[in-house]
Amino acid sequence: DVKVTQSSRYLVKRTGEKVFLECVQDMDHENMFWYRQDPGLGLRLIYFSYDVKMKEKGDIPEGYSVSREKKERFSLILESASTNQTSMYLCASSSGWGTQYFGPGTRLLVL
Amino acid sequence: KQEVTQIPAALSVPEGENLVLNCSFTDSAIYNLQWFRQDPGKGLTSLLLIQSSQREQTSGRLNASLDKSSGRSTLYIAASQPGDSATYLCAVPSGSRLTFGEGTQLTVNP
Repeated sequence: DVKVTQSSRYLVKRTGEKVFLECVQDMDHENMFWYRQDPGLGLRLIYFSYDVKMKEKGDIPEGYSVSREKKERFSLILESASTNQTSMYLCASSSGWGTQYFGPGTRLLVL
Repeated sequence: KQEVTQIPAALSVPEGENLVLNCSFTDSAIYNLQWFRQDPGKGLTSLLLIQSSQREQTSGRLNASLDKSSGRSTLYIAASQPGDSATYLCAVPSGSRLTFGEGTQLTVNP
């Protein structure tokens, strides 16, 4: 079974803090994705990566950066957290054009 | 730009009913379509993936259909159970990316 894990289920941070969200997959997938999910706005793609050290902006990259130093790990970085980044963050991975497999999500609260 | 719409936004049914969830998309040049389930506060679980060459895909009590020409997919759930209560999302690809609908929140009442 494909397993996608995220470093935290719940996280509380203060405005201005640098925040790291980590995602690890165990199926050697080349594609990895970071989404955020908000009521009324649905799932929105922040960044994705199709190979190590490669990244592409999604629909809402502002205020975020990513890092993919190893194939199995994709990190989302909030350089200076703001209250409007309070959200549910979901990581996913896939191989080619196949099924995307999601992690359990991280609920981030920025105070 | 691909847009995905799901109707209805919410649905409440008594246990045992058969039901249909709808998904429509604006750009029919897709190579597959996925249906996901999401329980409250959790991640998404993939239910079915239909390739563009297929018209239907079945898994247990779930049956998904795809009509590319009309830009529509349906998810049929037979003999619904309270454990089916969740939000169901459809998604279509653009390259490696997915565009999601906003989901249908299903409640199955005992």
